[in-house]
Amino acid sequence: DVKVTQSSRYLVKRTGEKVFLECVQDMDHENMFWYRQDPGLGLRLIYFSYDVKMKEKGDIPEGYSVSREKKERFSLILESASTNQTSMYLCASSFDQRHSAFFGQGTRLTVV
Amino acid sequence: AQSVTQLDSQVPVFEEAPVELRCNYSSSVSVYLFWYVQYPNQGLQLLLKYLSGSTLVKGINGFEAEFNKSQTSFHLRKPSVHISDTAEYFCAVSGSGTSGSARQLTFGSGTQLTVLP
Repeated sequence: DVKVTQSSRYLVKRTGEKVFLECVQDMDHENMFWYRQDPGLGLRLIYFSYDVKMKEKGDIPEGYSVSREKKERFSLILESASTNQTSMYLCASSFDQRHSAFFGQGTRLTVV
Repeated sequence: AQSVTQLDSQVPVFEEAPVELRCNYSSSVSVYLFWYVQYPNQGLQLLLKYLSGSTLVKGINGFEAEFNKSQTSFHLRKPSVHISDTAEYFCAVSGSGTSGSARQLTFGSGTQLTVLP
């Protein structure tokens, strides 16, 4: 079975902190994605990557950056956390666009 | 880039009644279309997908969806729902090309299906 693992289930951070969210997949998938999920807004794409060191902005990249140094790992960075970044963050990976995306269990981030 | 509109945020329906969840998409290129389901306190899982060919696709748990290119729609249907179908349903789209933007997987805002006894 495909496994997408996010480093934390719950995180509490202070405003202004630099926050790292880590995601690892074990199926040699090309594509990896970071979304945030908010009630009534669905999943909004922050960044995605289709190869090592390649990254593309999604629909809401402001305030975030990403890193993909190895194929299996895709990190989301909040440069200076703000309260409006309190959300559920979901990582996903897929072999290519025709195949299902597999999701991690999510990280619920609270910024205080 | 692509976009997805799910027209209904909440759909309540009685058990054993039929249901349709609506999805419209926008794209300048050919697309792949997906429906995902998220049961309470669980992760998202694929329900069905359209890649090409027959416009009627069947998925798990008795769901099916029809791709309509002229109306840019991909509505999800089930002829008779069960209590256990209560969940949030997400429509998603990606492009079929090889450019970076085509690889983007864009989700709609979701439809909460609540099946009532």
